[in-house]
Amino acid sequence: QEKVQQSPESLIVPEGAMSSLNCTFSNSASQSIWWYQQHPGKGPEALISIFSNGNKKEGRLTVYLNRASLHVSLHIRDSQPSDSAVYLCAARGSALGRLHFGAGTQLIVIP
Amino acid sequence: NAGVIQTPRHKVTGKGQEATLWCEPISGHSAVFWYRQTIVQGLEFLTYFRNQAPIDDSGMPKERFSAQMPNQSHSTLKIQSTQPQDSAVYLCASSSQGANSDYTFGSGTRLLVI
Repeated sequence: QEKVQQSPESLIVPEGAMSSLNCTFSNSASQSIWWYQQHPGKGPEALISIFSNGNKKEGRLTVYLNRASLHVSLHIRDSQPSDSAVYLCAARGSALGRLHFGAGTQLIVIP
Repeated sequence: NAGVIQTPRHKVTGKGQEATLWCEPISGHSAVFWYRQTIVQGLEFLTYFRNQAPIDDSGMPKERFSAQMPNQSHSTLKIQSTQPQDSAVYLCASSSQGANSDYTFGSGTRLLVI
């Protein structure tokens, strides 16, 4: 059973700052790591995924994956109040396997 | 594309009553997943179907919970003899056939058992 842990539980940053969220997973062979964003009253929405060691950049988002340390991080550049949400990290063991989710990080961006 | 549709959005039941939750996946998606979410436990996996066949129900409380997918266009989650600890947001998600496809979640059904 894949275990996914996220830190911190909550993060408060001022508008314009960099937000950095962390996630560790238990299986170095996990096929892919995903980040989801969830606003109150809504279901989670996929933001970005990464499959290979290294980093991936999409707009203001950058993800870093290090399989050796079982660690992945999400960085949001120029954070906006609209980025305030819960961010969920998820690991997938195999291509057709299900996603295993962490408990989430609550991000609050102060105007 | 209306996304994943879950009905009802809110449901209040008395302790011991039955609750049935509905999910309509995105047309063409072959996999349907059920999760429940609470503040304390976070997002908990319940069960999933691929091409209507049950694949993994390891998260389902066996005695009172059951899920079905009678056709490609909907899945149901039934909770018999509801208990206050069943109160949660129940989320349905669907994904396409391709490997490493992302999930599209519905907005959930908020179940309150009083």
